[in-house]
Amino acid sequence: NAGVTQTPKFQVLKTGQSMTLQCAQDMNHEYMSWYRQDPGMGLRLIHYSVGAGITDQGEVPNGYNVSRSTTEDFPLRLLSAAPSQTSVYFCASSYGTAYNEKLFFGSGTQLSVL
Amino acid sequence: SQQGEEDPQALSIQEGENATMNCSYKTSINNLQWYRQNSGRGLVHLILIRSNEREKHSGRLRVTLDTSKKSSSLLITASRAADTASYFCATVSMDTGRRALTFGSGTRLQVQP
Repeated sequence: NAGVTQTPKFQVLKTGQSMTLQCAQDMNHEYMSWYRQDPGMGLRLIHYSVGAGITDQGEVPNGYNVSRSTTEDFPLRLLSAAPSQTSVYFCASSYGTAYNEKLFFGSGTQLSVL
Repeated sequence: SQQGEEDPQALSIQEGENATMNCSYKTSINNLQWYRQNSGRGLVHLILIRSNEREKHSGRLRVTLDTSKKSSSLLITASRAADTASYFCATVSMDTGRRALTFGSGTRLQVQP
């Protein structure tokens, strides 16, 4: 049982480049979410999804797109990377909604935008 | 803005001592959760306490919740060097309608062997 798998683990981009951070879970979780963590800070919610075909914005959605075509996958797209998007990105999932369920986290993607 | 804020921001203790971290939040909540993050790793869930509960235990962890003061505390008893990590509280606000956990900025705990 792999849990939540994020790829890549590390990525360096130039300003203006695009890329997709991958997130997959094998626990049949309905709820998935993306957070970013900046040095010395907590996690800030980017986007989340309560099921296939349903996504919603979090606290800091600008510059990021998501889609949820399957239960297992929840990719995060950066359309035009900016230095302000340098951060560690975490994907997390849970069985139900966040109201009553704990989150399972991936190991993170460290992104640097030059 | 952060829904939950931990206090202190950093804590250094000796092995065997107890560690207490506090969390304050701003809005009505359904539950409050605590997570641990080891350096360079993802977060790991520790404990969930519901709004109608006042205290919960899990091994060496004790969590309290005071909804009237909008605060929670996490007590780690008989700490070990392996407890060195950052600890975050997280809540789901019942006011925003957003079905997602909001995290505080964390307490960095250092347990000296």
